[in-house]
Amino acid sequence: ETGVTQSPTHLIKTRGQQVTLRCSSQSGHNTVSWYQQALGQGPQFIFQYYREEENGRGNFPPRFSGLQFPNYSSELNVNALELDDSALYLCASSSGLAGVYEQYFGPGTRLTVT
Amino acid sequence: DAKTTQPNSMESNEEEPVHLPCNHSTISGTDYIHWYRQLPSQGPEYVIHGLTSNVNNRMASLAIAEDRKSSTLILHRATLRDAAVYYCILSHNAGNNRKLIWGLGTSLAVNP
Repeated sequence: ETGVTQSPTHLIKTRGQQVTLRCSSQSGHNTVSWYQQALGQGPQFIFQYYREEENGRGNFPPRFSGLQFPNYSSELNVNALELDDSALYLCASSSGLAGVYEQYFGPGTRLTVT
Repeated sequence: DAKTTQPNSMESNEEEPVHLPCNHSTISGTDYIHWYRQLPSQGPEYVIHGLTSNVNNRMASLAIAEDRKSSTLILHRATLRDAAVYYCILSHNAGNNRKLIWGLGTSLAVNP
């Protein structure tokens, strides 16, 4: 059984640029959630995708968007990057809606915005 | 807005029980209570979750107050590997928007 994987591991971008982060869910899981974790803080829920549709969103602006593909892998896109977007981005997969089912987390993508 | 409140840090001795409290006085009827833990430089790891009744699994127990406004994560015998940040989370359903609201976490130190 393959766990949750994320790519890339690290990324450096410039303010104003756009970034795409990728997540492969665990086998058999149909839900992917994305989180932002600033240094020294707890994870903040961005949104979750259940069977290719967004189903639940935290307090993040529309420049944070996502996709889920038929194989249930997912992308997180962030437009117009700001310095405060520097954080660890975590992806988690589950066999149903996050919040009802347990989630399995990937190791994260460290994004630095300069 | 729904939220959770946890002590910033706690300390325990190895092989003793640990009770980690969480206050969630704004909880709604369909909100689940989840606990995850996170070791340094790792993604969070699922511990346990529940809705109304107390729950037990191989890792821990979850005791939920009768009014559901607070809960306690119980580690029955702490080991050094249990040293981590423990997060109490509400899965809050507002209309068709189910959000997961994480607290700031309790940093647990385990003394040998």
